[in-house]
Amino acid sequence: GENVEQHPSTLSVQEGDSAVIKCTYSDSASNYFPWYKQELGKRPQLIIDIRSNVGEKKDQRIAVTLNKTAKHFSLHITETQPEDSAVYFCAASETSYDKVIFGPGTSLSVIP
Amino acid sequence: DAGVIQSPRHEVTEMGQEVTLRCKPISGHNSLFWYRQTMMRGLELLIYFNNNVPIDDSGMPEDRFSAKMPNASFSTLKIQPSEPRDSAVYFCASSLGDRGQGYTFGSGTRLTVV
Repeated sequence: GENVEQHPSTLSVQEGDSAVIKCTYSDSASNYFPWYKQELGKRPQLIIDIRSNVGEKKDQRIAVTLNKTAKHFSLHITETQPEDSAVYFCAASETSYDKVIFGPGTSLSVIP
Repeated sequence: DAGVIQSPRHEVTEMGQEVTLRCKPISGHNSLFWYRQTMMRGLELLIYFNNNVPIDDSGMPEDRFSAKMPNASFSTLKIQPSEPRDSAVYFCASSLGDRGQGYTFGSGTRLTVV
């Protein structure tokens, strides 16, 4: 089955700096890669996703890249703000409605 | 839409008791997923349904766990008998076919078994 690894497990950045979280996956059949943000005590919420026919996708300060050959994908957050502090989960799935396997999460702290 | 609705929000029960968690997916969503979240194991998929039919229950940890989806608007996750190691946050999520909108999670049920 699919296995998703994520690094780093914790990340601390100064406000205004960039943050990068990297993930790898094992199943070459995976074609859908969502990212979720979970604030303390809250539910995970989808922030951006990318499909295998696209190498990069951007939404304001957030961008994701995908290297399907290497089975790597990454989340980039620019101009970080304190409200970006949360746990971020990468995930992989064959389709957007299939079961999604989550990585272990990255706890991001943005220091004002 | 009110989103995915889970009940109860918190449940404290004694070891050996039966626990039933409930989920109402977003109207029109045809896939429903049950996840368990712990510090040690992260977000684990327990079971998921497509059009009310269980598709994959390989994540259900033991026979003590069972899930049903009697109709498109309701699902239950039952633990009988409960054990302290079942303590976790249980999330239900739903999605709409291949429209590419990803999952919408409910607020979760925090279960504590003492």
